[in-house]
Amino acid sequence: SQTIHQWPATLVQPVGSPLSLECTVEGTSNPNLYWYRQAAGRGLQLLFYSVGIGQISSEVPQNLSASRPQDRQFILSSKKLLLSDSGFYLCAWGGETGGAGGYTFGSGTRLTVV
Amino acid sequence: SQQGEEDPQALSIQEGENATMNCSYKTSINNLQWYRQNSGRGLVHLILIRSNEREKHSGRLRVTLDTSKKSSSLLITASRAADTASYFCATDVMDSSYKLIFGSGTRLLVRP
Repeated sequence: SQTIHQWPATLVQPVGSPLSLECTVEGTSNPNLYWYRQAAGRGLQLLFYSVGIGQISSEVPQNLSASRPQDRQFILSSKKLLLSDSGFYLCAWGGETGGAGGYTFGSGTRLTVV
Repeated sequence: SQQGEEDPQALSIQEGENATMNCSYKTSINNLQWYRQNSGRGLVHLILIRSNEREKHSGRLRVTLDTSKKSSSLLITASRAADTASYFCATDVMDSSYKLIFGSGTRLLVRP
């Protein structure tokens, strides 16, 4: 069956520390993958998307980067976290239709930068 | 930037009542989708309506789309306490990336 995994669920990191959030999809190939961030009580902001290995598109200039080292793996990173990087990070998979039929979301990572 | 804006931002109703949420968007779309988010969780896809459709039903959900007004509404009939969640509309950007732009959401509270 097709599933999406995202970890860790929660993370508390000091300012200036590095970040690595991982998202993997099982049971499919060449998925469209997306990273969103959600501020408390707000909507989702698209950060990055990828339509294939090594193909990353950035939506918002920021302190974050993304990579897709394998077909079903999407990683969100930062070299030095800022307080403003705190938020709820969600990975999404576009499904068998690439996204035309809706997304499947991971369970999210709540990041608190202290 | 956010394409969709939901109205109202928050809604509190009694169990058994209907809940209506509205979404407005700015640009042309292929489809509009509604998602549900329980507190602190990921989003769950509820229903998709294509730009050439005007109304769609799924169980207790009814979605309408008016492309001339660039607006959509989600109706939840006979609400239950378990329907308490945030609801988001999302629109695609009409390119091959299938990017979705989400609105700010409506927080629904259904009182038992």
